[in-house]
Amino acid sequence: EAQVTQNPRYLITVTGKKLTVTCSQNMNHEYMSWYRQDPGLGLRQIYYSMNVEVTDKGDVPEGYKVSRKEKRNFPLILESPSPNQTSLYFCASSPTGGLAGQLTGELFFGEGSRLTVL
Amino acid sequence: AQSVTQLDSHVSVSEGTPVLLRCNYSSSYSPSLFWYVQHPNKGLQLLLKYTSAATLVKGINGFEAEFKKSETSFHLTKPSAHMSDAAEYFCVVSESDSWGKLQFGAGTQVVVTP
Repeated sequence: EAQVTQNPRYLITVTGKKLTVTCSQNMNHEYMSWYRQDPGLGLRQIYYSMNVEVTDKGDVPEGYKVSRKEKRNFPLILESPSPNQTSLYFCASSPTGGLAGQLTGELFFGEGSRLTVL
Repeated sequence: AQSVTQLDSHVSVSEGTPVLLRCNYSSSYSPSLFWYVQHPNKGLQLLLKYTSAATLVKGINGFEAEFKKSETSFHLTKPSAHMSDAAEYFCVVSESDSWGKLQFGAGTQVVVTP
């Protein structure tokens, strides 16, 4: 089954304790990205990756790191979490194509990871 | 840089009546535009997309949207609402100079009453 898998789905942690949210897709998609969703703000893009070893900042990258060493995995790292990073996080992947390598359409989303930082 | 504004945070409609969700965008380059739907406690699902082909785009579940460059709008419509349409809807834009960078609107919550 084609899917994007995030882990953990729920996590309560404390300020300053490093954590990693994993994201894996089995569709051989070039593009992967991370978002946070907060009430009234919609989804805001944290980082994205157009392909292996290529990552770029989205709108809210501060306090986050990513890496793309393999096509299927795109982990989100919070080196020193703070309470303002309490949020619902989504990972998504998509195929790219066309002459410009643009996104060809649908983003496939994971189920989300609800993170609480105390 | 691109941006997107959803003009209504909440829309309430009666079952069987038309639905209109409004989206305006700002883009310096040729945009691609999308509408996604999120049902409670779920991830997002693509409804439809505009990527510089036909300006009237048909999507799933009877939804359609029209790209109007002169008005910088991409409004989503459905002729007859169903109870299952109750959800949150997001308008999304990406630009040709940076396809991977996506901008989401703040969302429109749709309530459908019997």
